[in-house]
Amino acid sequence: AQSVTQLGSHVSVSEGALVLLRCNYSSSVPPYLFWYVQYPNQGLQLLLKYTSAATLVKGINGFEAEFKKSETSFHLTKPSAHMSDAAEYFCAVSQSGGSYIPTFGRGTSLIVHP
Amino acid sequence: GAGVSQSPSNKVTEKGKDVELRCDPISGHTALYWYRQSLGQGLEFLIYFQGNSAPDKSGLPSDRFSAERTGGSVSTLTIQRTQQEDSAVYLCASSLAGGGRSETQYFGPGTRLLVL
Repeated sequence: AQSVTQLGSHVSVSEGALVLLRCNYSSSVPPYLFWYVQYPNQGLQLLLKYTSAATLVKGINGFEAEFKKSETSFHLTKPSAHMSDAAEYFCAVSQSGGSYIPTFGRGTSLIVHP
Repeated sequence: GAGVSQSPSNKVTEKGKDVELRCDPISGHTALYWYRQSLGQGLEFLIYFQGNSAPDKSGLPSDRFSAERTGGSVSTLTIQRTQQEDSAVYLCASSLAGGGRSETQYFGPGTRLLVL
């Protein structure tokens, strides 16, 4: 079975501050992990994904995430927030040998203050 | 096409009416997914198509919901006798082969359904 938990439905940061969005997963086998971003009135688009290569994954728009097996986490970070980063962020998990349908978290809304 | 397209972008209907939502996946993508996104609820899986295989309908919430995919391309999600709780954004996604659990999904902009 697989599941994902995103801590915090809303995260608020000031422009220029560190962004940290938390994601914890549960998987009985090595997982594949994804972060997607959804801008207002748009579909989701991939930010980055972990597929068992490097544990530190770099994505688009300056985001990165680190896979930590011991903590079952895949938190998303960005050193300096921009106003344009305001969006909904979804973490998702799938697992090798498991369902083709990934499980998505409930999402975290990132609010960026000027 | 350049991306996944969905139509209509918005749909307002009356309770009890039937609605059809359309999805055009990226050309050459054999896997197609439908999700429902309700406020604060994340993405709820509805149905998955892979090539000519029988679809995975395990996420459909009731028998009022059905979907088909013609010619391995365009898909239509039909909701019969709509209820107010069906109001949500319906998202379609496609992926290249659907054979790898690490594949990226490409999402359409969604159809916003409001049932009055």
